[in-house]
Amino acid sequence: GESVGLHLPTLSVQEGDNSIINCAYSNSASDYFIWYKQESGKGPQFIIDIRSNMDKRQGQRVTVLLNKTVKHLSLQIAATQPGDSAVYFCAEMLDNYGQNFVFGPGTRLSVLP
Amino acid sequence: GAVVSQHPSWVICKSGTSVKIECRSLDFQATTMFWYRQFPKQSLMLMATSNEGSKATYEQGVEKDKFLINHASLTLSTLTVTSAHPEDSSFYICSAPGGETQYFGPGTRLLVL
Repeated sequence: GESVGLHLPTLSVQEGDNSIINCAYSNSASDYFIWYKQESGKGPQFIIDIRSNMDKRQGQRVTVLLNKTVKHLSLQIAATQPGDSAVYFCAEMLDNYGQNFVFGPGTRLSVLP
Repeated sequence: GAVVSQHPSWVICKSGTSVKIECRSLDFQATTMFWYRQFPKQSLMLMATSNEGSKATYEQGVEKDKFLINHASLTLSTLTVTSAHPEDSSFYICSAPGGETQYFGPGTRLLVL
C-alpha cells in the first residue's frame, strides 16, 4: 500500500469542546480501519479500530463512526484536552493479514486554551 | 502491548555518508516489517516491506540501491541510507504487524548536512 503525501489540514478546537476528525477511504472492500495519533517527533500510536460489520465503536473519550455507504470514517474526541494535540491518521486495511495498510493524509488537531 | 524500538532516534550526518537505522520488535517476532518516510506536515509514505530471509519489496519510486534493507532475524530489520544527501533528511518510521494491527517504532529523525 502507499499513502499520498499532502499538506495536512488543521482543525482547531477549544479545550473542553468535542472534536470531529474525518477521513475518506478508498476501497469499498476494506474490512478493518484504525485511527492513529502521532505526536510531534514520535511514531504513530493506535487509538481505536473498527471492523466493517460495525458502524460505531466507543473507547475512552473517543468514538469512531463508519459509514460504508459513502466510505467515510470519523473520529470523535470528547472534551478535548491539550494532550490531544497531535496529527491523527486513519488507516484502512486492504487485506486480511494486517500487512497492507493505506494511510489517509492526516489531520492536525490543535487544542486552544 | 507489543513494542517496536528504533535506533538511533536522532542522527545528523554529512552529505555522502551512509546511515543505518535499526528497527526491533521487542517482545514478538515479525517476519515482515515496514519502513515509512515522513516529510514535515505530510502523511506517512510507505517505502518498502522488509521480509525476513528474503529480499525487501520496494514501493514505486524508491531506489533499492539507495535504501538498503536487511531483515536478518525475526526481530530486527535495518534500513541503510547510502550516500545520504540533504534531500534524504526526513523522519523514518518502521512498523511491524502484530495480530491485525501495526505497531510503530518511535521514529528516527535524519538530518543530512
